[in-house]
Amino acid sequence: GAVVSQHPSRVICKSGTSVKIECRSLDFQATTMFWYRQFPKQSLMLMATSNEGSKATYEQGVEKDKFLINHASLTLSTLTVTSAHPEDSSFYICSARGEGGGSNQPQHFGDGTRLSIL
Amino acid sequence: DAKTTQPPSMDCAEGRAANLPCNHSTISGNEYVYWYRQIHSQGPQYIIHGLKNNETNEMASLIITEDRKSSTLILPHATLRDTAVYYCIVRASGNTPLVFGKGTRLSVIA
Repeated sequence: GAVVSQHPSRVICKSGTSVKIECRSLDFQATTMFWYRQFPKQSLMLMATSNEGSKATYEQGVEKDKFLINHASLTLSTLTVTSAHPEDSSFYICSARGEGGGSNQPQHFGDGTRLSIL
Repeated sequence: DAKTTQPPSMDCAEGRAANLPCNHSTISGNEYVYWYRQIHSQGPQYIIHGLKNNETNEMASLIITEDRKSSTLILPHATLRDTAVYYCIVRASGNTPLVFGKGTRLSVIA
């Protein structure tokens, strides 16, 4: 149980393109989802917290107009990297936490999306 | 900022127990200890979590000291597939996200 599916797994596109990444909780409902970014040889950095039906909360230094997050249902959140540039190339990972069993439920992670901007 | 301290790397012989330490001396009473691991180019995988009692599941055991200022993740019989970066994270209950530190890179050697 507690599977998080992320799509696509890899994207290569030209500078200036907008890229959408989908994150789905397959067997549980997730009121809250999280988006992380990971650069080579570094740890995961939290970008934003996505709440179903409301605006996302962005971490300091993350441009909300650059990284658009939509959490339209209890099983789907999307991250759109708008007008992507080479410096946006990174490994993007989504995460979701199930709501049952108490608020100490673990977060479960997707397999990530490797974004390469040429 | 991460509230835990872990050694940057460790080696373990295949078949032996891997004991990964974590210091969290500033842990609060309502914060849980979570362990995840990340195999290269994949998303983090949940391993185990606990509050104050020792915990065991099919993957590992978590030993938390009585004062809760440190813990140890034990992989009882390490295999080559356990080679990964292991993250120890403290988090309060509720809606707060996991904040990752640098973790420990465990290399299991044949």
